[in-house]
This record gives sequence, C-alpha cells and structure tokens, in this order.
Amino acid sequence: QKEVEQNSGPLSVPEGAIASLNCTYSDRGSQSFFWYRQYSGKSPELIMSIYSNGDKEDGRFTAQLNKASQYVSLLIRDSQPSDSATYLCAVNRDSNYQLIWGAGTKLIIKP
Amino acid sequence: DTGVSQDPRHKITKRGQNVTFRCDPISEHNRLYWYRQTLGQGPEFLTYFQNEAQLEKSRLLSDRFSAERPKGSFSTLEIQRTEQGDSAMYLCASSLYMSSGRTDTQYFGPGTRLTVL
Repeated sequence: QKEVEQNSGPLSVPEGAIASLNCTYSDRGSQSFFWYRQYSGKSPELIMSIYSNGDKEDGRFTAQLNKASQYVSLLIRDSQPSDSATYLCAVNRDSNYQLIWGAGTKLIIKP
Repeated sequence: DTGVSQDPRHKITKRGQNVTFRCDPISEHNRLYWYRQTLGQGPEFLTYFQNEAQLEKSRLLSDRFSAERPKGSFSTLEIQRTEQGDSAMYLCASSLYMSSGRTDTQYFGPGTRLTVL
C-alpha cells in the first residue's frame, strides 16, 4: 500500500461544475496536509494547506480533512478550463519529517 | 524577484557526462530541498538543507549525486557520470522553518529538465 494514494484519473468535469479530488494516507500520525496544482511541464504550486479536521475555504477551493478516516479532499467550485491540471496531495507529521507525495490526479475541465 | 529560481531550465547531455544545476531560494528561506520528478509521479525527495547543513539525503540517492549549499543561500546539485535513467525534472523548493513543529510550506522553482542521451 502506498503511503499517499490518489486516483490517477483523468477526472473529467464539465465547466461550472464541482470537481472533487480525494487523497488517502496511511500514517495516522500525519498532521500537515497540502494540495499542489501542477500544469503540464511546470512545477507544483501550492493551492492550500490544512492542519485541522473539517473544512477550509479559499475562494473557489475547499479542503476537507478527516483524520479519523485518513483522507483529505479538495473541492473546486465553478470549475474553469484553467483548472485543468494535475493535483498533488502531500502529507507529513511535522517539520522533522519529509513530505510524502501522492502521484497526483489529472483533472480535465470540459468547456 | 521573490520566487525560487533554477538554472538551467533545460539540459541535454550525453551519457557519462557530469551536469550541475543551480537553485536560488526565496531570500529569507532557511530550508532548501531538491526533488526529482518523472512523468506521472509525484516529486521524489533527494535531499534538503537547513542553512548550509545538509540534514537528510534519500537512501535511494546514488553516490553519483551530490549537493551543496556552501553559504546557506544558493545550492548546487551535481550528477556525475549521468545515465539515461537520470532523465527527469529536477525541482528545487525552499521554505522558512521556524521550529514551531508545524510543517513549513515549500515553494517550488520552475525546475530543470534533464535529458540524458
């Protein structure tokens, strides 16, 4: 079992709909969770970080964390074609540990 | 300029040659990370520095790879005797570690794409 798992996709979503991206992790001691967006041929850019159970909203993005179930998700509302990218989930315990990365989910927003 | 920069952006080399990449972190950041990424995979950790000290190096990292951060600012990653399997995107990231225990956010540079022929 991989330490951080993501569905590789592609996940196809109509423009204007809600895109839901999921990530599960194996280390119950994990405390920090990050979502990065990566366009093809580019480097990852931070979308959101979340540390506490529940929801965290930033514009069209909402991160949801459930430590008991060991999953973290990212919702993108009013999806735009520019949201088409690979979304990477990264997890770790604290600053003394390295980030563990998922392989990413490819998201395609269809006009 | 407030971002992480990397040089060169692209490098094509022949098998057996040595290559060196440079990374300039965000100026106030004390941590600097090197990653390697291949198509369809997440970033693979190589090594990281806090100031000038190299604190961790991946066990998967060959002895052909070496990194330095001599003055705690920019860093170089050298690959000796390159192999075709070294072809990948090499990513540098930096962060500000403040000993609060919470993971510091990493910000990535544009990457150096290495092609070994």
